[in-house]
Amino acid sequence: EDQVTQSPEALRLQEGESSSLNCSYTVSGLRGLFWYRQDPGKGPEFLFTLYSAGEEKEKERLKATLTKKESFLHITAPKPEDSATYLCAASIGGNEKLTFGTGTRLTIIP
Amino acid sequence: SAVISQKPSRDICQRGTSLTIQCQVDSQVTMMFWYRQQPGQSLTLIATANQGSEATYESGFVIDKFPISRPNLTFSTLTVSNMSPEDSSIYLCSVEGRTLPHPNNEQFFGPGTRLTVL
Repeated sequence: EDQVTQSPEALRLQEGESSSLNCSYTVSGLRGLFWYRQDPGKGPEFLFTLYSAGEEKEKERLKATLTKKESFLHITAPKPEDSATYLCAASIGGNEKLTFGTGTRLTIIP
Repeated sequence: SAVISQKPSRDICQRGTSLTIQCQVDSQVTMMFWYRQQPGQSLTLIATANQGSEATYESGFVIDKFPISRPNLTFSTLTVSNMSPEDSSIYLCSVEGRTLPHPNNEQFFGPGTRLTVL
């Protein structure tokens, strides 16, 4: 069964304290690995798509990486405004539908 | 990226009634999807809204409960029928966006409709 698992479930960091969020996947035929940010009461905001092992993408304080089994979202020197739930999702095989992980709720403490 | 709007943004409904949620996109898109996000949980795909044909439903979701329309390439509706408190969720539409110069697919989400069933 295709599965996407995120860890940790919740993470509290001090402002400026760098860390990484993990997304592991067991799917047949990964087409793309997506990262989203979701603020309370809002729809997910697209961050990155990764397509092949070894690929990396960056946006401001965020960097996403991909291996054959997992993806990491690295956050460098985070600020309180980075507090949100971060979701990863896998697109599998020949279609565009996404299978989501349960998310990591990130809190940055000033 | 596509700009997506949903109506209503939230609603409180009585058990046994139905609610239709609208999703409007500012550009033509091939693929449109409907997701459900139950309280404290992640997103689950309900169905793919196909233009000009019946929607494709995921396991556990049926057309009688969640009828979907897709009359054109910019608009879709999801109806939640004969509602019960277990239907209380956020309902989200998403679209596949292909932006140049990167032809790979990306998916964008609307702001969601928060539904509470009493």
